Amino acid sequence: LAKTTQPISMDSYEGQEVNITCSHNNIATNDYITWYQQFPSQGPRFIIQGYKTKVTNEVASLFIPADRKSSTLSLPRVSLSDTAVYYCLVGDSGGGADGLTFGKGTHLIIQP
Amino acid sequence: KAGVTQTPRYLIKTRGQQVTLSCSPISGHRSVSWYQQTPGQGLQFLFEYFSETQRNKGNFPGRFSGRQFSNSRSEMNVSTLELGDSALYLCASSLVPSGGAGQFFGPGTRLTVL
Repeated sequence: LAKTTQPISMDSYEGQEVNITCSHNNIATNDYITWYQQFPSQGPRFIIQGYKTKVTNEVASLFIPADRKSSTLSLPRVSLSDTAVYYCLVGDSGGGADGLTFGKGTHLIIQP
Repeated sequence: KAGVTQTPRYLIKTRGQQVTLSCSPISGHRSVSWYQQTPGQGLQFLFEYFSETQRNKGNFPGRFSGRQFSNSRSEMNVSTLELGDSALYLCASSLVPSGGAGQFFGPGTRLTVL
């Protein structure tokens, strides 16, 4: 059971870099780490996915240490519109309901 | 490429009724998952279908069921509705099962049970 643990909430300011860390001590060999963003009354939006080391796309970076027991989502130069709930998800393509478990997420609040 | 679509977007039912929700995945995606989201319980996995077969099922009563068609479209059904079934029901599609390639979510169906 690859359960994830994230901070319940975080605050930051416009223009800052925000790092949200997710713990997944029981991650399995086949598991990927995926992050989603969700605004109120909308479906979650896929942000980034990785397996190990570092992944970067146009909106975020994902840092995964060698032991893969945690991961950090990095949002560069956040804006007010980045205020949302961010979910860390650990799962594989091998099946099993546990692999599709979302945690409570991190409520990120960006202030002017 | 069109995203995941869900119909209807909003639904109001009364206790004891049944409801069917529909989801059309992104073209080419064969995996469809369903989730229930409530303020108290967060995002909870209902079930996943791939190539018309249910692969995984979450911890929900048998009143919740689903199916997938040959064109990958999926429906979920809730029978004998209870007040606690009021929630946002989200559908997600992906290329491969269990989100290995990342899941793409639809806008959801807001179900209110009176």
